[in-house]
Amino acid sequence: KQEVTQIPAALSVPEGENLVLNCSFTDSAIYNLQWFRQDPGKGLTSLLLIQSSQREQTSGRLNASLDKSSGRSTLYIAASQPGDSATYLCAVGGSQGNLIFGKGTKLSVKP
Amino acid sequence: DVKVTQSSRYLVKRTGEKVFLECVQDMDHENMFWYRQDPGLGLRLIYFSYDVKMKEKGDIPEGYSVSREKKERFSLILESASTNQTSMYLCASSHNWGLYSGLAGRTGELFFGEGSRLTVL
Repeated sequence: KQEVTQIPAALSVPEGENLVLNCSFTDSAIYNLQWFRQDPGKGLTSLLLIQSSQREQTSGRLNASLDKSSGRSTLYIAASQPGDSATYLCAVGGSQGNLIFGKGTKLSVKP
Repeated sequence: DVKVTQSSRYLVKRTGEKVFLECVQDMDHENMFWYRQDPGLGLRLIYFSYDVKMKEKGDIPEGYSVSREKKERFSLILESASTNQTSMYLCASSHNWGLYSGLAGRTGELFFGEGSRLTVL
């Protein structure tokens, strides 16, 4: 059974720092991997989607990479801002058509 | 702009009541999902549907049922609400994974609604 782990569970950084969030998964037979952002009390907002044949995707200050063989993905956030404070979740798409989620990393960016 | 709309943001119900949570998407997605989210447990899949009138159990289907009579609408039903069903419920939709190849815009990306916070007293 696929398991998705995100470490650390929480992270606090000063504004302007570059940072990396980690996601690991146990079964490399995935269709895609998606990163989401969630603000308190809200739904999830899709940030980046990486198909299984791709190695990375970029959107603005965000870059996500995927290494299927090692079961890892990273989300790189450049020049962090207080507005980036949120919980970040990764999810892997499996053959059953659903996504398996990690428990998220709660990011706090201090002004 | 793509949209997944959940009918109620906040609901308060009593134990034993029947509860309906509605979700509508306007993106012609084949897949629709219901998750619940609880502190420390993350998102857990209740049910999903990959086509009209089709449904598949997720990880925690007990105490829930679903209905998908039209492609754009996916309903979650709590037949007899209990206090342990107090939670945030999230609906999501996507195209089927296999359709992304060669079809512009059909990437399998998952889109979520704003969530419905249910309290059962």
